[in-house]
Amino acid sequence: AQSVTQLGSHVSVSEGALVLLRCNYSSSVPPYLFWYVQYPNQGLQLLLKYTSAATLVKGINGFEAEFKKSETSFHLTKPSAHMSDAAEYFCAVSDGYGDYKLSFGAGTTVTVRA
Amino acid sequence: DTGVSQDPRHKITKRGQNVTFRCDPISEHNRLYWYRQTLGQGPEFLTYFQNEAQLEKSRLLSDRFSAERPKGSFSTLEIQRTEQGDSAMYLCASSLSSGSGNTIYFGEGSWLTVV
Repeated sequence: AQSVTQLGSHVSVSEGALVLLRCNYSSSVPPYLFWYVQYPNQGLQLLLKYTSAATLVKGINGFEAEFKKSETSFHLTKPSAHMSDAAEYFCAVSDGYGDYKLSFGAGTTVTVRA
Repeated sequence: DTGVSQDPRHKITKRGQNVTFRCDPISEHNRLYWYRQTLGQGPEFLTYFQNEAQLEKSRLLSDRFSAERPKGSFSTLEIQRTEQGDSAMYLCASSLSSGSGNTIYFGEGSWLTVV
């Protein structure tokens, strides 16, 4: 079974500062890893995904994440926060071998200070 | 590609009533998923279909819940005899069952409030 742990339920950053959201996974098979963003009262939008190709993955809105097998991590970063980045972010894992359902972390809420 | 659509977006119902949600997946997607999300939590898997076959159900899906996907197109999620604990957002998602990554695309969700 796969699972993810998101470290920190809430992150506050200043506009223009680095955004770093932490995600560690547990999987008995090589994982597929995803980051989704959720704005208030909306569904989930895919930011980026790792599917065993390049370990550094670039996504939408300037976000990127690096898969580190040795650390079982898939942290999400953005060099410069924008007010529009305020949202909830979810890390998710699937096993990628035919069972594609996602297991989500509890989420990290990002607030951006002007 | 019109995305995954869900209806209704919001539903308020009295405890004990039945409710039904509909999901229309992306047209070429043969997999369809239902998730439930409560406030402050990540989505939790409920069930999924490949075409019209329901392949897996979570233990979260009590016998008051039933999901169908006739003809492998749209899906419905029915909750019978609703309880206050059923209040949540119900998310539908779809994907292909082959290809790299099999990205799962989510709808906007259907909010259920049981009073």
